[in-house]
Amino acid sequence: EAGVAQSPRYKIIEKRQSVAFWCNPISGHATLYWYQQILGQGPKLLIQFQNNGVVDDSQLPKDRFSAERLKGVDSTLKIQPAKLEDSAVYLCASSFGPKLLPYEQYFGPGTRLTVT
Amino acid sequence: QQPVQSPQAVILREGEDAVINCSSSKALYSVHWYRQKHGEAPVFLMILLKGGEQKGHDKISASFNEKKQQSSLYLTASQLSYSGTYFCAVAGGTSYGKLTFGQGTILTVHP
Repeated sequence: EAGVAQSPRYKIIEKRQSVAFWCNPISGHATLYWYQQILGQGPKLLIQFQNNGVVDDSQLPKDRFSAERLKGVDSTLKIQPAKLEDSAVYLCASSFGPKLLPYEQYFGPGTRLTVT
Repeated sequence: QQPVQSPQAVILREGEDAVINCSSSKALYSVHWYRQKHGEAPVFLMILLKGGEQKGHDKISASFNEKKQQSSLYLTASQLSYSGTYFCAVAGGTSYGKLTFGQGTILTVHP
């Protein structure tokens, strides 16, 4: 079974530029998550989708971050404009379950973003 | 609120045992454990639901004390492959599966 796919794997941009990350979840997984992991810390949830609807985006900096999941499959996370503090690994994860059930999450390899 | 893990780091020799603890100030519905190796994505280890059950596979097991809002991960007879950062992640009852990760415990196993 194919895992969660993400691209690009690495991205270097200058502050105030924009960047987009792409994620393709495991086939059949209804729930998709975007996490931000700053070096030395645990992943922090940015946004959670159930099919193509947003379940939680309480920690998404909406003035600069946006995400969409069209047709309930692939998802794109965008940052515009980027700040130095956005340097992190952006992880996409997916899980099978409907809400309220504790399904395990499977993570993609991540995109390492460096903002200079 | 982020769960607190202890210890922050542990160094073992192959064959030794270790315990990693995870405590939360909020009522928990489930606790998840993940292991992340350097430069790689977190890998799922196990989920524990409220009820104090203990789960395990191979030589890694975990317990969940709902009343104390604590979970512990037990690694017995450690192997070199156990090295990595271990994260607990917790979900409340109405959080729709939203996980809050701890800060991680770095485990290093030496030959």
